[in-house]
Amino acid sequence: EPEVTQTPSHQVTQMGQEVILRCVPISNHLYFYWYRQILGQKVEFLVSFYNNEISEKSEIFDDQFSVERPDGSNFTLKIRSTKLEDSAMYFCASSVIDSSNQPQHFGDGTRLSIL
Amino acid sequence: AQTVTQSQPEMSVQEAETVTLSCTYDTSESDYYLFWYKQPPSRQMILVIRQEAYKQQNATENRFSVNFQKAAKSFSLKISDSQLGDAAMYFCAYRSAFFVAAGNKLTFGGGTRVLVKP
Repeated sequence: EPEVTQTPSHQVTQMGQEVILRCVPISNHLYFYWYRQILGQKVEFLVSFYNNEISEKSEIFDDQFSVERPDGSNFTLKIRSTKLEDSAMYFCASSVIDSSNQPQHFGDGTRLSIL
Repeated sequence: AQTVTQSQPEMSVQEAETVTLSCTYDTSESDYYLFWYKQPPSRQMILVIRQEAYKQQNATENRFSVNFQKAAKSFSLKISDSQLGDAAMYFCAYRSAFFVAAGNKLTFGGGTRVLVKP
């Protein structure tokens, strides 16, 4: 069964550095999402992306964050200048259509540790 | 804004027994979708079961079933005949059926860890 894949599985970065988290959604999916989970807290929505543009973003997704689909297969999340509080598990998800009962398929996540 | 609450941080069940995970949510919307996702250790979240709010019949998927009480805004998950492979973190999630923007987000509860004892 096709899967959403995320790389790297663990990223350690110095505070203030830029980081790019990568995701390869399922190939025929059109809607893409990023979520994050700070240790011990809820999974929180960051951003959704469709037709090469952001369709919705949360208040967490400030100017330090950006998303891109650079080559038609990868879907990336960039954090421009990382802060300690960006340490979290980041999950990418995709869905084939945006019918609300269609599930979003999740990747294994990238654990981001900011030092 | 919608909120989802899972009041049980951890539940323990004996293999072959039944366990019920609770989930409550708060919304002013009348039409929405509810999901249970399972996240085994170090693995991706996998959809277990979904429920459309307009359907009165409770969803069932093999050993997994839900008790959807719309008036009470409650959506519990029952795992019957528990197996060792059911051990995981379980997340309840809400998704609006109202089209706000392309890519309606999921709102998650805090999760319930299920331990299965052999």
